[in-house]
Amino acid sequence: AQSVTQPDIHITVSEGASLELRCNYSYGATPYLFWYVQSPGQGLQLLLKYFSGDTLVQGIKGFEAEFKRSQSSFNLRKPSVHWSDAAEYFCAGMDSSYKLIFGSGTRLLVRP
Amino acid sequence: DAGVIQSPRHEVTEMGQEVTLRCKPISGHDYLFWYRQTMMRGLELLIYFNNNVPIDDSGMPEDRFSAKMPNASFSTLKIQPSEPRDSAVYFCASSSPTGGITGELFFGEGSRLTVL
Repeated sequence: AQSVTQPDIHITVSEGASLELRCNYSYGATPYLFWYVQSPGQGLQLLLKYFSGDTLVQGIKGFEAEFKRSQSSFNLRKPSVHWSDAAEYFCAGMDSSYKLIFGSGTRLLVRP
Repeated sequence: DAGVIQSPRHEVTEMGQEVTLRCKPISGHDYLFWYRQTMMRGLELLIYFNNNVPIDDSGMPEDRFSAKMPNASFSTLKIQPSEPRDSAVYFCASSSPTGGITGELFFGEGSRLTVL
C-alpha cells in the first residue's frame, strides 16, 4: 500500500542548531512529495514540494529537502533553527490519483 | 485574497445530534478535500471533489458521514447521528492544478468538533 512514514514522533533541538526530519515513502513509482507545517491551532502550510528534476528542493522559511530514490527518503533540513520553527511537520505523498496522503507528523520542540 | 474559510471553528454537541461543517474554497480552485485529524489516526483524507463531483469517498468512515458540494464555492460535511468518537479537527482544503498536478493544497483553519 502507498504510504508515507515519519519515524520520529518528537524532535528537540536547540535554537541555532541544524535540523533534519526524516520521511520515508512507499510508492510503486516516484510520487510527488511534500512537506507541510502546522502551527498550534492552525491549518497546514506548504513548505516545499518535489515533482521531478533537481533532487534538492528549496522551500519557504529557509527549509530544504532532498529526494533520495535509493533510500526512498525525502528528509527535511534547516541549517539553523529558530524558536518560531516549533510546530508539527508533516511529510506527504501523492500519486496519479491526486490523493495526498500524510505521514503521522513530527513535533519539533526548540530549546532556547 | 481570502483563504479557505471553514465554519464553525468550534462545535460542541451531544451524542446523537446532527453536525454540519461548512467550507468555502478559494475562488477558482476546482479541487476540494475534507480531512480529519485526531491524535490516534493523524490526518485522514475523508473525501475529495473535482469540479463539484465527488471523486473518492473511500475515506468516509461510515454511512453517518456525508459530504456535498452543491456549487464551486461551498461544501458541507455532515455527521448524523454524531458519536463521541467523531470528536476531531476537520480540515477543508482546496487546490487548483494548472496544466497538471501542482499538489499544493491550501488548508482552512479547521473545525474542532467535540461530541459529548
